[in-house]
Amino acid sequence: EDQVTQSPEALRLQEGESSSLNCSYTVSGLRGLFWYRQDPGKGPEFLFTLYSAGEEKEKERLKATLTKKESFLHITAPKPEDSATYLCAVQGGLANNLFFGTGTRLTVIP
Amino acid sequence: DAGVIQSPRHEVTEMGQEVTLRCKPISGHDYLFWYRQTMMRGLELLIYFNNNVPIDDSGMPEDRFSAKMPNASFSTLKIQPSEPRDSAVYFCASSYGHGYGYTFGSGTRLTVV
Repeated sequence: EDQVTQSPEALRLQEGESSSLNCSYTVSGLRGLFWYRQDPGKGPEFLFTLYSAGEEKEKERLKATLTKKESFLHITAPKPEDSATYLCAVQGGLANNLFFGTGTRLTVIP
Repeated sequence: DAGVIQSPRHEVTEMGQEVTLRCKPISGHDYLFWYRQTMMRGLELLIYFNNNVPIDDSGMPEDRFSAKMPNASFSTLKIQPSEPRDSAVYFCASSYGHGYGYTFGSGTRLTVV
């Protein structure tokens, strides 16, 4: 059964304090691992897709990495506007749907 | 493109009433997904369509839930009769092909009292 576990559930950072969010997954035949950002009252917004172990992608202060068991979302020198819930999802096997974790709620304090 | 459009944004209804949620996917996208989000369970897939055909409805909680996609530009999710435990935010998402990121709508916050 597909499983996605995100940690921590919540994270408070001072502005400029770099950190990482973790996404551990179990899926038969990973086809893709996805990161989304969700702001309060809005739908998830697509950030990255990673397809194979060793792959990395970057966007502004965010960098996503992938191993065979987990993915990390590294946030470098975060700003208050990076505050949001970050969701991880996997797509595996023959399924075309995404299976989501419950997210990490990030708060960046000025 | 205006993105995925959902209506209404908020719906408050009494237990036992019928509720219909609506979604207009991005033009050209061939997959459409309905998700439900709660604090306890996060985002759960209810059903998805490919080229207007339902492919997997195993996430639909019970027979009170039904979904249709009569054409490529419109889908509905209906709950009849509604119950308080159906209260959640319902999201529609669409994508072109599989293996790519979905585009989500802004959601419908449903409250059943």
